[in-house]
Amino acid sequence: EVQLVESGGGLVKPGGSLRLSCAASGFTFSSYSMNWVRQAPGKGLEWVSSISSSSSYIYYADSVKGRFTISRDNAKNSLYLQMNSLRAEDTAVYYCARWGIVGAFDIWGQGTMVTVSS
Amino acid sequence: EIVLTQSPATLSLSPGERATLSCGASQSVSSSYLAWYQQKPGLAPRLLIYDASSRATGIPDRFSGSGSGTDFTLTISRLEPEDFAVYYCQQYGSSPFTFGGGTKVEIK
Repeated sequence: EVQLVESGGGLVKPGGSLRLSCAASGFTFSSYSMNWVRQAPGKGLEWVSSISSSSSYIYYADSVKGRFTISRDNAKNSLYLQMNSLRAEDTAVYYCARWGIVGAFDIWGQGTMVTVSS
Repeated sequence: EIVLTQSPATLSLSPGERATLSCGASQSVSSSYLAWYQQKPGLAPRLLIYDASSRATGIPDRFSGSGSGTDFTLTISRLEPEDFAVYYCQQYGSSPFTFGGGTKVEIK
């Protein structure tokens, strides 16, 4: 079964750091670009970051550029999001999503909640 | 940045009715790299349509997508009870890969 499972969310104080992980299974992880998308409580979807299969291409939303770092370990079938200098407005459910061969984000994880509050 | 505007924000319809959702882009979406997702409360989004008009694997044929350039449409031909949800469009042709604000399809 094709599956993505996020972990690492939690409560963190403003200015703090958190590292999210996404474990992939059921497909050849190293062949796919991957993404992070977030959703603030009661709000819509916001694209956060993307990374190509070999990490050659990386993109960030302006709202996280310079604070968040996306990375991957193809040997471990894992995607990561290092989040530094966290702000209240980063509070959201964070989803990892696969960039499908045919296009768009075809597989999504269940999400992990990040709460930034003092 | 391509801004996607979805309309209407809320669509109140009865089961069996036809739903027409719109997604307008602030500039042309390259190669019609436009997708539609369905999201139900507490769940992750699910891909319905990619490349503006191609149905994703396992998606019923009552869902169809159309459009090009700056105007796109998702049509649900006959609403089933499980179709009441929020729908998002997304462009993935150029970074940032933006989403629209969503359309909630609710039971009338």
